[in-house]
Amino acid sequence: EAGVAQSPRYKIIEKRQSVAFWCNPISGHATLYWYQQILGQGPKLLIQFQNNGVVDDSQLPKDRFSAERLKGVDSTLKIQPAKLEDSAVYLCASSLSRGWQETQYFGPGTRLLVL
Amino acid sequence: AQSVAQPEDQVNVAEGNPLTVKCTYSVSGNPYLFWYVQYPNRGLQFLLKYITGDNLVKGSYGFEAEFNKSQTSFHLKKPSALVSDSALYFCAVSSRSGGSYIPTFGRGTSLIVHP
Repeated sequence: EAGVAQSPRYKIIEKRQSVAFWCNPISGHATLYWYQQILGQGPKLLIQFQNNGVVDDSQLPKDRFSAERLKGVDSTLKIQPAKLEDSAVYLCASSLSRGWQETQYFGPGTRLLVL
Repeated sequence: AQSVAQPEDQVNVAEGNPLTVKCTYSVSGNPYLFWYVQYPNRGLQFLLKYITGDNLVKGSYGFEAEFNKSQTSFHLKKPSALVSDSALYFCAVSSRSGGSYIPTFGRGTSLIVHP
């Protein structure tokens, strides 16, 4: 079974530029999550999708972050404009359904450095 | 608000010895508890979870954890450590709050197993 795919693996941009990350979840997984992991901290949930609908985006900084999952499969997370404090690893995860007792499967992450 | 504490930034253990990685939590309702492991430059991998039932939970790679409600703890254990167990370990808790189940992750504990 293929795992969660993410691209790019690494990205370096200057502040105020925009950047986008892509995620392809495990086939058949209805729920998709984006996390931000700042160095030395645990992951922080940014947004949760159930199919193509948003379940929870209460921790997403909506003034600069956006995410979509148009066809209920792939997802993109965008930052515009980026700030220095956005430097982090962005993790995508998926699970069969939306219940928090469900096991989440994580991708390798995208490491973002904002200069 | 829910929280997770991993009181040790680093745990050192000799190969073949038992290991314990500590986790305590605080939630207002019934907790869902998880342990994940993260190897360098890779995403998180699920180890085990407690949802309900037996307080002793067995997971992948010989790991187990015990849910202790009175002490609000969920320590990760393994009877005999391997060098290959060296990695970063995250404890996470989720509980119904305001209709959502946003998980909270601890800061992580670096486990170093010495040959």
